[in-house]
Amino acid sequence: AQSVTQLDSQVPVFEEAPVELRCNYSSSVSVYLFWYVQYPNQGLQLLLKYLSGSTLVKGINGFEAEFNKSQTSFHLRKPSVHISDTAEYFCAVITNFGNEKLTFGTGTRLTIIP
Amino acid sequence: EAQVTQNPRYLITVTGKKLTVTCSQNMNHEYMSWYRQDPGLGLRQIYYSMNVEVTDKGDVPEGYKVSRKEKRNFPLILESPSPNQTSLYFCASSPGGPGGYTFGSGTRLTVV
Repeated sequence: AQSVTQLDSQVPVFEEAPVELRCNYSSSVSVYLFWYVQYPNQGLQLLLKYLSGSTLVKGINGFEAEFNKSQTSFHLRKPSVHISDTAEYFCAVITNFGNEKLTFGTGTRLTIIP
Repeated sequence: EAQVTQNPRYLITVTGKKLTVTCSQNMNHEYMSWYRQDPGLGLRQIYYSMNVEVTDKGDVPEGYKVSRKEKRNFPLILESPSPNQTSLYFCASSPGGPGGYTFGSGTRLTVV
């Protein structure tokens, strides 16, 4: 069964500093990879997704992620964070394209320090 | 506006009292799914549906039921709620393939 690991449950970062949120997955088959963001008291919003092709994926709000097949990773990055980026971030994967099951990591809470 | 609508947003109920959380999408999506979110556990799939009258268990289906009589609706039913079902619930829909899921705003359920 596939799994998704987000090693950091909490990441504090100073405003305007860069950030990387780590995500590793376990699967021996082709995958679709996603990052979702959850702002306080809201639902989940899609940040970006990797389906195929270029391994560097750009998303909304200045975020990007790089798919690394050999390391089975899909880390999320932003060069300069803002207070408004304070949220919980979830990495997710689809490996069974038949039932479209989306498997989530446990989430990383990003806190921006003014 | 394309969206997934869940109701209610907040619900407090007592153990054993049957309840239904409704979910409706206006995007003509084939796939629909229910997730629960618990601290430290992320989101876990409860049930999913690949089309009308086609439903299947996810990772944590115990204590829940679903139905898919119409394409747009996918209600979650708790026949006899228990305190361990206190959680934040999300409904989501997808067109299938690489579309990705659209999530509802969530239902925060407390069972006392």
